[in-house]
Amino acid sequence: DTAVSQTPKYLVTQMGNDKSIKCEQNLGHDTMYWYKQDSKKFLKIMFSYNNKELIINETVPNRFSPKSPDKAHLNLHINSLELGDSAVYFCASSQDGKTRGLPRAQYFGPGTRLLVL
Amino acid sequence: AQSVTQPDIHITVSEGASLELRCNYSYGATPYLFWYVQSPGQGLQLLLKYFSGDTLVQGIKGFEAEFKRSQSSFNLRKPSVHWSDAAEYFCAVGDRRDDKIIFGKGTRLHILP
Repeated sequence: DTAVSQTPKYLVTQMGNDKSIKCEQNLGHDTMYWYKQDSKKFLKIMFSYNNKELIINETVPNRFSPKSPDKAHLNLHINSLELGDSAVYFCASSQDGKTRGLPRAQYFGPGTRLLVL
Repeated sequence: AQSVTQPDIHITVSEGASLELRCNYSYGATPYLFWYVQSPGQGLQLLLKYFSGDTLVQGIKGFEAEFKRSQSSFNLRKPSVHWSDAAEYFCAVGDRRDDKIIFGKGTRLHILP
């Protein structure tokens, strides 16, 4: 059984379009994250949610909007896509992420490869 | 602010040889440290983690890492690599104040037959 799953795996789209990436985890974790990995493999956190509450919101354009319908899902919606948005987007989850003191290990999905033309 | 440095962008070793991947961190207190592996076209898989206690940490796939506070290092080792170990390896440090994990820029491991 897949622990953290993302759809779609590949996404090719035109500049200016709006697209969504979905993420689901079946680990029973409380916290979910979105990361962006650029062409140089640098991995940077974008958002985290704990029980549907936004916890971390890094300096990300407001064209990116995460949505968490429940604690097992964290979707990423991107408006007005730009060339620079091309990257691999990873979803991750961890247990008790909001509890101060002990950051839990994060478990990653397989990634969504976004290409903006 | 915390940071992670992986000095080697690429490392090449022969199959069966030993491996050490370097990781140095910058953090004001005792860090939480992780090693992840990313195979081509795949997501990141947790190899091992250090939170406290024994400074030599055992992980999956025969990997281990040693936390050395005096050197601010958390190097990853494996006594004998296999061709399937070819991948990108990321060291990461966790912040005690929030949920952030800061990743290094990765080391690409190549295995010679």
